[in-house]
Amino acid sequence: GQNIDQPTEMTATEGAIVQINCTYQTSGFNGLFWYQQHAGEAPTFLSYNVLDGLEEKGRFSSFLSRSKGYSYLLLKELQMKDSASYLCAVRDSDYKLSFGAGTTVTVRA
Amino acid sequence: IAGITQAPTSQILAAGRRMTLRCTQDMRHNAMYWYRQDLGLGLRLIHYSNTAGTTGKGEVPDGYSVSRANTDDFPLTLASAVPSQTSVYFCASSDGASGGADTQYFGPGTRLTVL
Repeated sequence: GQNIDQPTEMTATEGAIVQINCTYQTSGFNGLFWYQQHAGEAPTFLSYNVLDGLEEKGRFSSFLSRSKGYSYLLLKELQMKDSASYLCAVRDSDYKLSFGAGTTVTVRA
Repeated sequence: IAGITQAPTSQILAAGRRMTLRCTQDMRHNAMYWYRQDLGLGLRLIHYSNTAGTTGKGEVPDGYSVSRANTDDFPLTLASAVPSQTSVYFCASSDGASGGADTQYFGPGTRLTVL
């Protein structure tokens, strides 16, 4: 099984940077995903890391360290529309996803 | 292209009743999944199907059953609903190819309340 931890809530100001950390303990590892979920909506895919290092996609970047069981999602130049929950998910050796409880990010003007 | 659709959008159900949640995808994905999402617990896998004709149990399968008669449809049935099954249910699909991201794409969800 998987144990995935991420902070429950974070607040930041419009235009700022926020870093959401995710730590995991896994019996098998086959990639780490970040999803964004606005209130009342479906999760939508943001990023995928399977090798150590940083993946950058516009204002969003995701980092992975497999040896430390650690990832972070970096959101730059925050906009009001970035207010959402961010879900960290780890794929195990059976190719099944286990999700963290999610981090709710509130962007304030 | 609709992607993944779910029906109904929401439902209030009396305990003990039978209920089937529908999920249809038009992306010709091989793999499909059912999750429930509860406050503070995140998404938990109920059942999955790697390809048409096969199904498997996830983390929380008790009280639920699934079938996969064809590629597009993956219904979830609650044989006798109980209040603890009150949740938001998400269906997802992926192409099922090993290696690579095999990203899962989610439907809009069904909000189910069991009284």
